[in-house]
Amino acid sequence: DAGITQSPRHKVTETGTPVTLRCHQTENHRYMYWYRQDPGHGLRLIHYSYGVKDTDKGEVSDGYSVSRSKTEDFLLTLESATSSQTSVYFCAINLPGSDTQYFGPGTRLTVL
Amino acid sequence: QQQVKQSPQSLIVQKGGISIINCAYENTAFDYFPWYQQFPGKGPALLIAIRPDVSEKKEGRFTISFNKSAKQFSLHIMDSQPGDSATYFCAASKSSGSARQLTFGSGTQLTVLP
Repeated sequence: DAGITQSPRHKVTETGTPVTLRCHQTENHRYMYWYRQDPGHGLRLIHYSYGVKDTDKGEVSDGYSVSRSKTEDFLLTLESATSSQTSVYFCAINLPGSDTQYFGPGTRLTVL
Repeated sequence: QQQVKQSPQSLIVQKGGISIINCAYENTAFDYFPWYQQFPGKGPALLIAIRPDVSEKKEGRFTISFNKSAKQFSLHIMDSQPGDSATYFCAASKSSGSARQLTFGSGTQLTVLP
C-alpha cells in the first residue's frame, strides 16, 4: 500500500451529517489524491494536493472539500453527506519522479 | 463524459487461455497508460504501464499493446491462472500543473476457471 493508511476503513453515517476521511503517509510524498470508486465508473478523481495547503479540484469535486495542513495527512470532508456519496474512497500518492500512482486500502462509506 | 472506454465489462477464461481487455481514449494529452489489478477489498495495484512512444511492453505473462494512431491499447494475459481472477482497470494519465491526473476505464471483472 505504498505506506498509505486510511481511516476509518468502514463508516456508516446518516444523510446530512459531516464526515471526514483521513489519508496518512509516512514518506513525505508531495502529491496526494482522493478518488471514489463506484460500479460501472472505475475510479474518479475528487481532489488532489501538490503540497501543504496546495489543493485542486478533480472530476467529481462537488460536495467534497479537502485540507492538507501537514505533508503526511490529506483529509477529505463531506460537509453534509448524501446517499449519492455512498462509495469506496481511495487515497493515492505519486512516488518522486514517477508518473505512477499507488493506492491505499480504501474506506467504505455508507450514507443512509 | 467517459474519456477512457474499457471493454468487456466481464470476461471468463479457462485456465491456460489468453485474456484480452481493450481500452480506447480520446484525449491526446494523455501520455502514460497504466493498468491496475484489484482484488476484492483491496486498493488497485499497478500491474504494468506503457508510454505512447512504445507499441508493446511485456512483463512476464502480461503484455500491453499500444496503437497511438487508433488511440487504443489492450492488456493481454497469457497462460491465465485462477489467481489472475480480479478486476482490471486501464487508465490514462496527463499532467495537471506539476501533478498527474489519472482517468480510469470502468473496469473488467476477469474470472479464470480452473
